[in-house]
Amino acid sequence: AQSVTQPDIHITVSEGASLELRCNYSYGATPYLFWYVQSPGQGLQLLLKYFSGDTLVQGIKGFEAEFKRSQSSFNLRKPSVHWSDAAEYFCAVGPPDSGGYQKVTFGIGTKLQVIP
Amino acid sequence: DVKVTQSSRYLVKRTGEKVFLECVQDMDHENMFWYRQDPGLGLRLIYFSYDVKMKEKGDIPEGYSVSREKKERFSLILESASTNQTSMYLCASNWLRSNTEAFFGQGTRLTVV
Repeated sequence: AQSVTQPDIHITVSEGASLELRCNYSYGATPYLFWYVQSPGQGLQLLLKYFSGDTLVQGIKGFEAEFKRSQSSFNLRKPSVHWSDAAEYFCAVGPPDSGGYQKVTFGIGTKLQVIP
Repeated sequence: DVKVTQSSRYLVKRTGEKVFLECVQDMDHENMFWYRQDPGLGLRLIYFSYDVKMKEKGDIPEGYSVSREKKERFSLILESASTNQTSMYLCASNWLRSNTEAFFGQGTRLTVV
């Protein structure tokens, strides 16, 4: 069965500092990988996704993520964090077929706090 | 822009009440989903629907049912609310056979007292 691990439940960074949120997955082949962001009181918004090809994926709001097959990881990065990035971030993994979104598994989330 | 709208942001209900959570999408999506979000557990799928009057159980369907009478509307029903159903509920939708992205509503925070 597929699974996804976000080892950091809570992270605090200073505004302007770089950010890396970790995500590790378990899947037999190369899965579909996602990062979502949830601002306070809001639903989830897709930041970026990886299906195949270039292992460095660019997303919205200045975020990027790198797929590393050897480490089964899909870490999210941003070079300079803004106060508005304070939110909860979810990594998700899904099967690379047409089986449907119902098979996507979400991590438990990493809550990002940004301090001035 | 795709819009998924959940009818209530906050709800407070009493134990034993029948509770309806409503979700409407405006993109003519075939699939609609209901998730439950709890701290430390992430999102867990309750039910999904791929067509009108069609439904499939997700990972945690116990204590819930759903209704999809129209393509744009998907309702989550708590037949007899219990305190352990206090949670954030998220609705989502996407196209049939799409596992590339889903669009989420803003969530309904339900408290059962």
